[in-house]
Amino acid sequence: GAVVSQHPSWVICKSGTSVKIECRSLDFQATTMFWYRQFPKQSLMLMATSNEGSKATYEQGVEKDKFLINHASLTLSTLTVTSAHPEDSSFYICSAEPSSGGDTQYFGPGTRLTVL
Amino acid sequence: SQELEQSPQSLIVQEGKNLTINCTSSKTLYGLYWYKQKYGEGLIFLMMLQKGGEEKSHEKITAKLDEKKQQSSLHITASQPSHAGIYLCAGGTSYGKLTFGQGTILTVHP
Repeated sequence: GAVVSQHPSWVICKSGTSVKIECRSLDFQATTMFWYRQFPKQSLMLMATSNEGSKATYEQGVEKDKFLINHASLTLSTLTVTSAHPEDSSFYICSAEPSSGGDTQYFGPGTRLTVL
Repeated sequence: SQELEQSPQSLIVQEGKNLTINCTSSKTLYGLYWYKQKYGEGLIFLMMLQKGGEEKSHEKITAKLDEKKQQSSLHITASQPSHAGIYLCAGGTSYGKLTFGQGTILTVHP
């Protein structure tokens, strides 16, 4: 149980294009999902908290117009990197917190984005 | 803001040896989580500790949280190559946000 998937697992795009990453909770509902970014050999940095049916809450320094988050259902949150640039290349990981309770977040396998 | 420091940053052990990874917080933790990550992959949940003095074990891995809820340790007994990876501690808030330590890279030589 408590499986979170991400799609795609990796993506290569040209500079200036937009890329959408999906995060799904497969066997549970998640009112809250989180988006993290991880640079090579570094830890995870929280980008934003995604709440079903409401606007996402962004961490300080994260551009909300660049990283669009949509949490349209209890099992799906999407992160769209708009007008991607090479510095946006990174490993993006989502996590989901079951609506049924408990304080544990379950993480997806991550999406590696490379912007050329 | 809450900061977590892990030590050591990296650890190389021979198979069969015991090892300990430490995680220290600058503030009292609401909850302390331990995750394992293989490079380029997602995180695997290991354990969560919430009460001061709490200790949990799963297979050969034991995690402890001190009474003040500012320090945690992860102990692996009789390490195996399958234990290799990056171990991350994370401090949780009451509203779900996690702040991660910088991680400890564990290598286990057969």
